[in-house]
Amino acid sequence: DAKTTQPTSMDCAEGRAANLPCNHSTISGNEYVYWYRQIHSQGPQYIIHGLKNNETNEMASLIITEDRKSSTLILPHATLRDTAVYYCIVRSLRGGNYQLIWGAGTKLIIKP
Amino acid sequence: NAGVTQTPKFRILKIGQSMTLQCTQDMNHNYMYWYRQDPGMGLKLIYYSVGAGITDKGEVPNGYNVSRSTTEDFPLRLELAAPSQTSVYFCASTQNTGELFFGEGSRLTVL
Repeated sequence: DAKTTQPTSMDCAEGRAANLPCNHSTISGNEYVYWYRQIHSQGPQYIIHGLKNNETNEMASLIITEDRKSSTLILPHATLRDTAVYYCIVRSLRGGNYQLIWGAGTKLIIKP
Repeated sequence: NAGVTQTPKFRILKIGQSMTLQCTQDMNHNYMYWYRQDPGMGLKLIYYSVGAGITDKGEVPNGYNVSRSTTEDFPLRLELAAPSQTSVYFCASTQNTGELFFGEGSRLTVL
């Protein structure tokens, strides 16, 4: 089972920052948090990942709480093209290899 | 670079038929994965490979087989197709196991 909990859906106005929360209260010390998104049934797209520190790239920022039990993905200026399902994933050790266990994600709708 | 290429994009099978979903990557990645995605759900791992000649089961391997004879190719074989295998199948590859590159998916219907 997925080690993360996300809201089923969220709305955000175009041009605003979209803040997507994720709970991962059972995360272990060496497990990374990954974020992906999937636009309209296309193949998922990697966004960002982190362990302890906050991370930023050209797509988004990732804020991880100090206790690592939750994180927030921030899309700073959301556009209509950011409408997608966003997956928060903890990369876990399974069968001797690290794997991504996917939950159902958050459906983010950007409104004009 | 083409990235990860999957064929076919769409296929309809009759119950009991067999087929192979093809996956090729040109990024020289060691790790390759096959996932299935049912409507409204996240991805479920079917099989994965950490290099040529090495494969292992994921969460939902029953009814499927894989092989990895080269670094580039990772075909998924469906034997005796069943309606429960109606799904969208995604192939992915990575070099570092976390940042996966996905194909566009293969949509399979079993009637």
